[in-house]
Amino acid sequence: EVKLQQSGDELVRPGASVKMSCKASGYTFTDYAMHWVKQSPGQGLEWIGTIIPLIDTTSYNQKFKGKATLTADKSSNTAYMELSRLTSEDSAVYYCASERRVPHVMDAWGQGASVTVSS
Amino acid sequence: DIVMTQSPSSLAVSAGETVTINCKSSQSLLSSGNQKNYLAWYQQKPGQSPKLLIYLASTRESGVPDRFIGSGSGTDFTLTISSVQAEDLADYYCQQHYSYPTFGAGTKLELK
Repeated sequence: EVKLQQSGDELVRPGASVKMSCKASGYTFTDYAMHWVKQSPGQGLEWIGTIIPLIDTTSYNQKFKGKATLTADKSSNTAYMELSRLTSEDSAVYYCASERRVPHVMDAWGQGASVTVSS
Repeated sequence: DIVMTQSPSSLAVSAGETVTINCKSSQSLLSSGNQKNYLAWYQQKPGQSPKLLIYLASTRESGVPDRFIGSGSGTDFTLTISSVQAEDLADYYCQQHYSYPTFGAGTKLELK
């Protein structure tokens, strides 16, 4: 069974950074891309970027360049996303999602991690 | 970026009805190379993560009931849910996977 286990919810101060994790199990982590998606309160879904763990290649939505940094640790089957210079606009639920069927299709999702930016 | 426009934004239904959700893309999602349409549908129930229902416009993900049917080509696509059940009440999103992903704004399916 494919499982993506995300790290817990975060409360962070404006201007700070936060790094969240997504541990994959049930499939070969390095063989498939991992996406990250943002869902602001009461809003839809927004693609942040993708990492291919095998070759550490990343692609970003232009909107999130400079905001999000994607990395992966092949030894622990874990993907990471760091968000920097946080503002209230970054308060949202963030999901990781695997791509194992067709390019850019997200077939399994983590449970989500809520980030609240507040002083 | 490819812009995805969904309609309606919300839909009130009774159990047993058939519903249709529409999705339009700002450019064609049909690949000339393999004649496949790169459009996916997701379901998100309250408090849950999105779940993949359909990709390549009409290919149902494993385990998805056959009352969920995806259709369309080019720029116009439809998700049809036949004989809606209470467990189908959720938000539905279309997403193009022709290029870097973009999503529609979603359709909320509610009980009448």
